[in-house]
Parts: sequence; structure tokens; C-alpha cells
Amino acid sequence: AQSVTQPDIHITVSEGASLELRCNYSYGATPYLFWYVQSPGQGLQLLLKYFSGDTLVQGIKGFEAEFKRSQSSFNLRKPSVHWSDAAEYFCAVETSGTYKYIFGTGTRLKVLA
Amino acid sequence: GAVVSQHPSRVICKSGTSVKIECRSLDFQATTMFWYRQFPKQSLMLMATSNEGSKATYEQGVEKDKFLINHASLTLSTLTVTSAHPEDSSFYICSARDLDSRRNQYFGAGTRLSVL
Repeated sequence: AQSVTQPDIHITVSEGASLELRCNYSYGATPYLFWYVQSPGQGLQLLLKYFSGDTLVQGIKGFEAEFKRSQSSFNLRKPSVHWSDAAEYFCAVETSGTYKYIFGTGTRLKVLA
Repeated sequence: GAVVSQHPSRVICKSGTSVKIECRSLDFQATTMFWYRQFPKQSLMLMATSNEGSKATYEQGVEKDKFLINHASLTLSTLTVTSAHPEDSSFYICSARDLDSRRNQYFGAGTRLSVL
């Protein structure tokens, strides 16, 4: 069965530090992968997506993610975290042909001043 | 960018009443909209897929008579929670797929439903 795993429920980093949020997926075919951020009172916002091609994907707000097929991973990274990055982050995979998403359980990021 | 408006943002109702939640794509057409439910500290669970002009497709375990979905136009889908009970209290989120933007879904801000 298709699934998405985000192993870290909570992550706390200091402002200015680097960040990596983990995402592992289980999917038989080539996956379409997404990272979304959810802030209170706002809808989920797309940070970046991977469909094919270059496995290092650049997104908005300085985020990037790397698709590693051998590890079934799509980890999100940012070199220097800002206080405004504190939010909930969701990794998702789109099931082929249906446009349906399967979401991971999310990682809540806390940023220390 | 594409905007999805979801209304209301919060609703409190008495047990046994019905509640309607609207999801509108403001600046694009969406033949497909999705409805999700999010429990506290948990992920988004897809409830149903709504296609304009046709019946919604419900995920396994979702009661279609409890959660009525109507997609009357290319910009509006509604979710009606019928005869709501406290266990229906949750955060409901809609998303809309942009026809012109490959595989992009845009999400509403969600509706917090509290059933007393």
C-alpha cells in the first residue's frame, strides 16, 4: 500500500541553523512528491514538488528537497531557518492517475530565537 | 497565485443539526475538488473527490449520507455534514485542482467544526 512517513513529529532548531525534515514514501511507480507548509489560519502552501528530472528541487522561501529513489526519500532542507518558518510541514505523494494525495503525519517545526 | 476560499472558518453547532461548508476557487476553474479531514496532531485524510457535474467519489469508510458533497460549478463545491454529532467535530479542508497547472492543488484555510 502507498504510504508516506515523516519520522519526526516535532523538531526544534535555533534561528539561523540549518534544517532537514525527513520524508519516506512507499510507492510502486515513479512518485509525484510534494512538500506543503501549514500555518495557523492559512491553507496549506506548496513549497516545492518533484515530478521528474533533476532530483534536487528548489522551492519557495529558500527551501529545497532531494529525491533519492534508492532510499525512497524526499527530504526537505533549508540552510538557515528564520523564525517565520515555524509551522507544520507535510510531505505528500500523489497516486498515479487519480490526483489524490497521501499525506504524511506532518512535522511541527519550532524555531528558537 | 491561485486562491481557494473556504467558508466558514469556524462553526459551532448543536448535535443533530446540519452544517454546510463552502469551498470556492476564486481565480481559476477547478473541475476537481477534494475534501479532507484533519484530526488534532494528525495528518490530512482524504474524505472524497468532488467532480463538477457528477457524483462525488468517497474514500473507504466515509459515510456518503453523512457527508454530502455537491460540486455545482467549476468554482464551487460544498460539504454538508448532516445530523452532526460530537464525533464529527474536526478540521475540514478543501483543495482544488487547477486545470491549467499541472498537478497543482490549492488548499483552503480550513473549517473548524465543533459539535456540542
